[in-house]
Amino acid sequence: DAGITQSPRHKVTETGTPVTLRCHQTENHRYMYWYRQDPGHGLRLIHYSYGVKDTDKGEVSDGYSVSRSKTEDFLLTLESATSSQTSVYFCAISEKGGQGLNQPQHFGDGTRLSIL
Amino acid sequence: GENVEQHPSTLSVQEGDSAVIKCTYSDSASNYFPWYKQELGKRPQLIIDIRSNVGEKKDQRIAVTLNKTAKHFSLHITETQPEDSAVYFCAASSGNTPLVFGKGTRLSVIA
Repeated sequence: DAGITQSPRHKVTETGTPVTLRCHQTENHRYMYWYRQDPGHGLRLIHYSYGVKDTDKGEVSDGYSVSRSKTEDFLLTLESATSSQTSVYFCAISEKGGQGLNQPQHFGDGTRLSIL
Repeated sequence: GENVEQHPSTLSVQEGDSAVIKCTYSDSASNYFPWYKQELGKRPQLIIDIRSNVGEKKDQRIAVTLNKTAKHFSLHITETQPEDSAVYFCAASSGNTPLVFGKGTRLSVIA
């Protein structure tokens, strides 16, 4: 299995508080992704990174920011959490190849976030 | 941008029967099509993938077929077993944009 660690694995917090989720990889892969998974919606991309300090928005980026200061770490921040951001968050990684983004992605074990 | 539709959303089969899940995509530039299996409470795991220069790929009991003209691809599972019960996701990418996932199919294999 790909060396991907997400922390925390579970978190309960209150509306309006800031929340940061961490994804750490030991594979030295170039690409890192953050997804949210909600019933009936599958996996939706929030943000992704194609290198240190290089990030781009995904389908559902509003209310989220990301940072990547090192190859191995990709942080997802909810500046002011809302109940609609209650979800399971998955980090994924992929290696550069071909055209770049059309490579297998490998997922972390997820973070279950509840915002009350 | 790319749009991936997946059908059916739920599928029940008897153990030993075959299961087929279908996906359509909208971007003709898409050239990479993976399938993921997600068991309850677990992470999605890649089970098979296909690129646009290939029409079919098999790995033991699972196979994927691709029809570029019609812009659809399918997952076939033969001789289903209870451990095949899970949610399956298809996805598509052109290489210039990240994977776009279908909404998933919940497969139940009834013993």
